[in-house]
Amino acid sequence: GAGVSQSPRYKVAKRGQDVALRCDPISGHVSLFWYQQALGQGPEFLTYFQNEAQLDKSGLPSDRFFAERPEGSVSTLKIQRTQQEDSAVYLCASSLAYAPRRSPLHFGNGTRLTVT
Amino acid sequence: KNEVEQSPQNLTAQEGEFITINCSYSVGISALHWLQQHPGGGIVSLFMLSSGKKKHGRLIATINIQEKHSSLHITASHPRDSAVYICAGVQETSGSRLTFGEGTQLTVNP
Repeated sequence: GAGVSQSPRYKVAKRGQDVALRCDPISGHVSLFWYQQALGQGPEFLTYFQNEAQLDKSGLPSDRFFAERPEGSVSTLKIQRTQQEDSAVYLCASSLAYAPRRSPLHFGNGTRLTVT
Repeated sequence: KNEVEQSPQNLTAQEGEFITINCSYSVGISALHWLQQHPGGGIVSLFMLSSGKKKHGRLIATINIQEKHSSLHITASHPRDSAVYICAGVQETSGSRLTFGEGTQLTVNP
């Protein structure tokens, strides 16, 4: 596709439910990032993939959060036993290069997760 | 203290005005991205720079490595420029992690 695609666009989950958020990066992009953006705040880093390897997951807030990119293209962010504090926009970004200082980032439109 | 700080937090301008948004960053940041976020969440990358100056249309970004400061300028501002502008620093040690400023909400009135 022409850009980074995220689905679903909106997700409402009841507290305790598991959710899975999908990111389709631009074809051929090596690097893939997940960010969490709470209302009125800047994005916060969650995790980074270089192809299929998850090189940095230090931003994941708890062991309820899990991300994968098994074939080095599509990535899924899974949140288990959702809590209200998980409500946020989850942004995915990809870039052609191996590090974000080497090439521009391309962001998806995000998935807005609301936990009730 | 956040590693990346932006000012101002909010900025209102009249159409046609010259606009400057500032970003200061701490030691350990090796490059900066300037991003634009419209209502609804979509983020567009405007610039990525580690030195000097870049220009694209009415947008100009500069960075001063010694002073650890970057600015985003918009010339001849237009209401469609209204958005949140975010600077994000690339951490030297991490190579992958971006640290985001809190954003500047720009409103350009006709």
